Amino acid sequence: GAVVSQHPSRVICKSGTSVKIECRSLDFQATTMFWYRQFPKQSLMLMATSNEGSKATYEQGVEKDKFLINHASLTLSTLTVTSAHPEDSSFYICSAYTGTAGYTFGSGTRLTVV
Amino acid sequence: DAKTTQPTSMDCAEGRAANLPCNHSTISGNEYVYWYRQIHSQGPQYIIHGLKNNETNEMASLIITEDRKSSTLILPHATLRDTAVYYCIVRVDRDDKIIFGKGTRLHILP
Repeated sequence: GAVVSQHPSRVICKSGTSVKIECRSLDFQATTMFWYRQFPKQSLMLMATSNEGSKATYEQGVEKDKFLINHASLTLSTLTVTSAHPEDSSFYICSAYTGTAGYTFGSGTRLTVV
Repeated sequence: DAKTTQPTSMDCAEGRAANLPCNHSTISGNEYVYWYRQIHSQGPQYIIHGLKNNETNEMASLIITEDRKSSTLILPHATLRDTAVYYCIVRVDRDDKIIFGKGTRLHILP
C-alpha cells in the first residue's frame, strides 16, 4: 500500500536552533500534504496544508514564519521549526492523500527542545 | 471544528467484538465517513471508510445508519493490539483537510 515516510523519528535540539522534518511519499505522488502537531494525551491539531509548487496554507494561530513548510516536489514536503523553544516540543505528523485508502500518515517525529 | 462526537473511552474484552459509535448528525450528502486509529506514539492508521452502504474489510466493518447521522465501527474479534485511540472523521473532497476530534480511547481487557 501507499507509504508516507517521515524522518527523523526523534530529534532533540537546543533552544534557538532550527529543526527540519521530512515527509516523503514513497510510491505515489502527493500534490497536497498536511502537517499536524500533537501534544500528550491530546488529539492531532492541523497546522498547515502543504501544496506542491505553491505556498502552504496555515491554520489560524499557527505562525508561518516559525513553521516553514516547503513542498518542492510531488514526493517531498518539509517542515522546519525555526528558533525552537521548549514549548515547541511535540509530536509532529505529516499525511498525504493516497486515493483508495484516503489519507496515509507518517510515523511521526518526536521533537524535544532543551 | 470536528463534525463528529464519540465517547471518550470504552473497554472491550479480548476476543469479543468491539463496537465503537460515532455521531455525525450534520453530515452532508457527499461526505464520507472515515475511521482511523492511533496506537501510542505512532501516526494514525487508516481502517475503513464509507458513504452510505455498510462496508467490510480485513480489519473491520462499518455500519452507517440509513439517515447517515451516525455510524458504528466494529472490530469483530478484538485483541490487545487493538488498544488505541479511534477517530471517526467526515470529509468531502480528495484534498480536503482532515480535522480530528478527540476520538475514543479503546482499552482491550485480557
